[in-house]
Amino acid sequence: AQKITQTQPGMFVQEKEAVTLDCTYDTSDPSYGLFWYKQPSSGEMIFLIYQGSYDQQNATEGRYSLNFQKARKSANLVISASQLGDSAMYFCAMEGFQKLVFGTGTRLLVSP
Amino acid sequence: EAQVTQNPRYLITVTGKKLTVTCSQNMNHEYMSWYRQDPGLGLRQIYYSMNVEVTDKGDVPEGYKVSRKEKRNFPLILESPSPNQTSLYFCASSLWATGGSYNEQFFGPGTRLTVL
Repeated sequence: AQKITQTQPGMFVQEKEAVTLDCTYDTSDPSYGLFWYKQPSSGEMIFLIYQGSYDQQNATEGRYSLNFQKARKSANLVISASQLGDSAMYFCAMEGFQKLVFGTGTRLLVSP
Repeated sequence: EAQVTQNPRYLITVTGKKLTVTCSQNMNHEYMSWYRQDPGLGLRQIYYSMNVEVTDKGDVPEGYKVSRKEKRNFPLILESPSPNQTSLYFCASSLWATGGSYNEQFFGPGTRLTVL
């Protein structure tokens, strides 16, 4: 069974600095996908970035990049140049059998 | 606009009073799913459907029912709600069931349910 672990319940970062949110995963499937979602205080789930297990390069989407280290089974999200609007809950997830398997999330607070 | 809609967005009810949370998608997706989100637990799957008339249990199905009579709709039914079903509920849809290939799940806006 797949499992996602997010060990940082909360993170603080100053505006314009970079921050890394940790995510480790466990799966026995050779092919899998990893996702990051952002959940602002309004509650909706916003898709940020996807990494396939066979992708040769780390995924990037604007200020978001995924530091994918397959041997370590980690898929950390890096947010560059943090903005106040980045304050939110962030979830790492991976494809499981007929579902997404989510971690417990990391709450990020960006201070001015 | 491609979207997943849920209604109601907020609901306060009492123990034992049957309720239905509707979910509808306009993207012609085969796969739909319900999750609940609880603090410290992330999102957990309740039920999913791979197509019309095809539904199956997720990780936490107890106390819930679903139906898939039309491709676009996937209602979540709580026959006799209890306080432990107080949660934030998300409906999601995608083109096909997950499994080894990129397949973004589109989430609805969420339904915040309180059972007194």
